[in-house]
Parts: sequence; structure tokens; C-alpha cells
Amino acid sequence: GAVVSQHPSWVICKSGTSVKIECRSLDFQATTMFWYRQFPKQSLMLMATSNEGSKATYEQGVEKDKFLINHASLTLSTLTVTSAHPEDSSFYICSASWRTDTQYFGPGTRLTVL
Amino acid sequence: SQQGEEDPQALSIQEGENATMNCSYKTSINNLQWYRQNSGRGLVHLILIRSNEREKHSGRLRVTLDTSKKSSSLLITASRAADTASYFCALYNNNDMRFGAGTRLTVKP
Repeated sequence: GAVVSQHPSWVICKSGTSVKIECRSLDFQATTMFWYRQFPKQSLMLMATSNEGSKATYEQGVEKDKFLINHASLTLSTLTVTSAHPEDSSFYICSASWRTDTQYFGPGTRLTVL
Repeated sequence: SQQGEEDPQALSIQEGENATMNCSYKTSINNLQWYRQNSGRGLVHLILIRSNEREKHSGRLRVTLDTSKKSSSLLITASRAADTASYFCALYNNNDMRFGAGTRLTVKP
């Protein structure tokens, strides 16, 4: 099946710093990429949907200026958590799709903000 | 926005037994998907069933969809310890996907 990678797999940072998470589709061109956040013992929460070359569509309640999403190419999307705080600590997962209704998920990135 | 509601929240069985998880929803869908998440790992896509399909099989997995009752079930037959994971249903409608809270399955050896 299609492979989606995320980098880094985990990151620890100090409060106030910015963290960039990359999501790459390795063997297909992703017209759409999704970013999710998962709180412990809870389901995935869709944060935003990004289409290559256009601005991301954010879900209600997700701060656009805090979670910057860039989908610059058909194989790469980035999520930047700006001025991270401890409450931003979470598991962030991206997924990618190409003209199908199936999404391929990345392995996730564990963010811990001290 | 809707998301699937899964039942049960947790399920513990012995190896070799069958495991059944259910997902209910409220509005229309294009398809319904089941995913597995092993502890600390990313989601793995298991099976997709379209709104005009009633049943699909994949190995030891069997998924049914009843659009009149707005529910789906995932059956894992002859379970193995390696099947221990959280299982999520995801509702897909017009490029929007929503996940349920998941069912935590524990298969005891």
C-alpha cells in the first residue's frame, strides 16, 4: 500500500519555541493531506485539510496562526506549531489521499512541550 | 459534525475467539472505513465499505454495513494476541472524515 512518512517521530521542546512536523507521501502524489491531533484515550481530531497549492481549511476551534500548515508540493505538507505551550503536547498524525476516498496515514509525531 | 460511535469501548477476549465491534452514526456517508492503531503507532487502514455495499471480507476481517440502521460492524475471527489494538471506524462523506473514539481490543494468549 501507499506509504506516508512523518518526521520527526517524536520531539521535545521548550515552551515558546516553534516546532515543524513534516508529512511526506513516498510513493504517490497526494492531492489532499489531512492533519489530525489525538489526545490520550480519545479519537483523532481533524485539525485541517490542505490541498496542494492552496491554503489549508481549518476546522472550527483550531487556531490558524498557531498551527501553520503548508502544502507546497504533491508529496510534502508541513505543520508548524508556533510558540508551543504544554497544552499543545499531543500526538499529531497526518494522512494523504490522491483522488480516492481512502486516506493513508503517517506514523504520527509525539510532541512534548516542557 | 458527526462522528462514529463505537461499541463497546473496550473488549477483552481469549486468543482464538471472535471479536465484534460496532459503529453507529447519524447522517449520510459515502463510505465507512475501519482502522487499527497499535499502541504508540500510527493508524493502519483495514477495510473500506461503500454505502452501496453490505458486506466485505479481508482475511480474518468481516465488515458489514446497514445503512438503514446507520451501523457497521467489524468482526475479527480466530483472534490472535497480535490483534490487540484500538480499532476505529471512520465516516467518510464528501472529502470529510470523522473518527469515532475507538474500541480497545485486548486478546489474551
